Amino acid sequence: NAGVTQTPKFQVLKTGQSMTLQCAQDMNHEYMSWYRQDPGMGLRLIHYSVGAGITDQGEVPNGYNVSRSTTEDFPLRLLSAAPSQTSVYFCASGVGAGELFFGEGSRLTVL
Amino acid sequence: QQPVQSPQAVILREGEDAVINCSSSKALYSVHWYRQKHGEAPVFLMILLKGGEQKGHEKISASFNEKKQQSSLYLTASQLSYSGTYFCGTEKRRNNFNKFYFGSGTKLNVKP
Repeated sequence: NAGVTQTPKFQVLKTGQSMTLQCAQDMNHEYMSWYRQDPGMGLRLIHYSVGAGITDQGEVPNGYNVSRSTTEDFPLRLLSAAPSQTSVYFCASGVGAGELFFGEGSRLTVL
Repeated sequence: QQPVQSPQAVILREGEDAVINCSSSKALYSVHWYRQKHGEAPVFLMILLKGGEQKGHEKISASFNEKKQQSSLYLTASQLSYSGTYFCGTEKRRNNFNKFYFGSGTKLNVKP
């Protein structure tokens, strides 16, 4: 059972570069979301989706784009990376009001 | 939007008890509790859906007071394996969409 798979696990970018963090789940979950984790800030919601074609913003959406073309995939795009986006990113999926399953995280450094 | 957790950090000896609190300024639909070990992903512990309901198993339990918009996690007779950062997550609904927000975490360190 793969669960929630995130790639890449580590990435270093230069300011202004763009990139996409990939997230895939094989549990047929309708709900998928992206969080960033910074020291002392906990997990902050970036974007989330309740199904293919349906996305909405979370607490800290600026600088990030998402789309949901399939139930399985929910990529997070950084349009023009900034040092403030240095963080650990977690993708999570779930069913309705139930348990969230997290990926292993993607550690991003922006120089 | 984020729930507020307290305390920020706790140091315990094995066998001691701890309580972690979570409160929100907004009405809560449910409360989740997760534990994260260093360098790993958060792992689900339990969810509470009804006001006043208490859930748990073995030595970790939680309560949810819907009126006070508060939840507490109780760790009884702590073990070394309980060490980690505990997050409460709250669910808010907008236009039938569920948003899950997490607190800033409580770092628990259980020492021998």
